[in-house]
Amino acid sequence: DAGITQSPRHKVTETGTPVTLRCHQTENHRYMYWYRQDPGHGLRLIHYSYGVKDTDKGEVSDGYSVSRSKTEDFLLTLESATSSQTSVYFCAISQREQSYNEQFFGPGTRLTVL
Amino acid sequence: KNEVEQSPQNLTAQEGEFITINCSYSVGISALHWLQQHPGGGIVSLFMLSSGKKKHGRLIATINIQEKHSSLHITASHPRDSAVYICAVYIQGAQKLVFGQGTRLTINP
Repeated sequence: DAGITQSPRHKVTETGTPVTLRCHQTENHRYMYWYRQDPGHGLRLIHYSYGVKDTDKGEVSDGYSVSRSKTEDFLLTLESATSSQTSVYFCAISQREQSYNEQFFGPGTRLTVL
Repeated sequence: KNEVEQSPQNLTAQEGEFITINCSYSVGISALHWLQQHPGGGIVSLFMLSSGKKKHGRLIATINIQEKHSSLHITASHPRDSAVYICAVYIQGAQKLVFGQGTRLTINP
């Protein structure tokens, strides 16, 4: 199994507070992704990274920012959390340098915004 | 309309039955990904394929690029196969996956 961890695994916060989720990998893979999973919507891409300091937006990026200062860490920040950001967040990494890469997922972070 | 459609959305079967889950997509793709998610659990990669067929144990995945269709088959199904099965595609020219809504499979003993 790919070495991917996410922290925290569960978090409850209040509307308007900043939140940072961390994804850590031990595989030295280039690509990292943040998704959210919601009932009725499936998995949706928030942001992704194709290298240190190289990031791009996904389909649901509003209200989120990311940073990747090291190969192994990809941070997702909610600057001011809203109830609509209550979700399960998954990080994923890609192993191969191809136009399509098999993705491996972290265990997920369940975030509740009250 | 979603670019990736799965059917059925829910499927209940008895242990031992042959299971088929379908995935259709409307765009040109580089590859297709089948994933498994157990209740409350993480997401596991089952297959990635761009043509033909792949087999792993009791699981078989096929893809027909011309018809824009893929199937996931489970032979001799078992209650531990109960999970949500997710189809996702790499759209040509993109570095991103687009996901189907998932198929919830329940295998009763």
